[in-house]
Amino acid sequence: QVQLVQSGAEVKKPGASVKISCKASAYTFTNYYMHWVRQAPGQGLEWMGIINPTGGGTSYVQKLQGRVNMTSDTSTSTVYMELSSLTYEDTAVYYCARDYGEGGSYFFDPWGQGTLVTVSS
Amino acid sequence: SYEVTQPPSVSVSPGQTARITCSGDALPKQYGHWYQQKPGQAPVLVIYKDNERPSGIPERFSGSSSGTTVTLTISGVQAEDEADYYCQSADSSGSVVFGGGTKLTVL
Repeated sequence: QVQLVQSGAEVKKPGASVKISCKASAYTFTNYYMHWVRQAPGQGLEWMGIINPTGGGTSYVQKLQGRVNMTSDTSTSTVYMELSSLTYEDTAVYYCARDYGEGGSYFFDPWGQGTLVTVSS
Repeated sequence: SYEVTQPPSVSVSPGQTARITCSGDALPKQYGHWYQQKPGQAPVLVIYKDNERPSGIPERFSGSSSGTTVTLTISGVQAEDEADYYCQSADSSGSVVFGGGTKLTVL
């Protein structure tokens, strides 16, 4: 079945960067957009942006523009999300989530298992 | 910016019907989708395009739309349905928005 497997938990200092991977399997990687969503502790879901694995086109939520970079590697069916200039407010579980339909439906299924990023001095 | 609004909590007894609403000005033109999230787990899509149910989701989950409101209905609620539920939509530019989430408590 379609599966998204994310990299493990990270602890970073304020001002540092973090790069999370999301490896896809059991479907044609280039046919589906991938999204990133984060969830701060005890809070709701926040959409971060989208990447088209074919060609690498991206769109990011305005509040993260300039700090977030999403990339893809079609040879390994992996997408990456890098967030720089981390602050305590970036402490969250980060999820990759596949777009439901080919060509972009802007809802998500399935989701990765999540990666906890803790920003701590 | 586009927003959707959900009640923070809904409570229901086992076997009863739970209804969770989601309101947003663009919902007459944009689809609403629903996710279930249990503690420590990733969200799971339970309803898409207002009223479509993914394979593997129990029939007791249904969705509807009327005007600026979409509604998730869970008929014959079971203890295992206790979770947070999130409404999600997207505007015409492809910007995605989530509601704040509704905690469903099964009494």
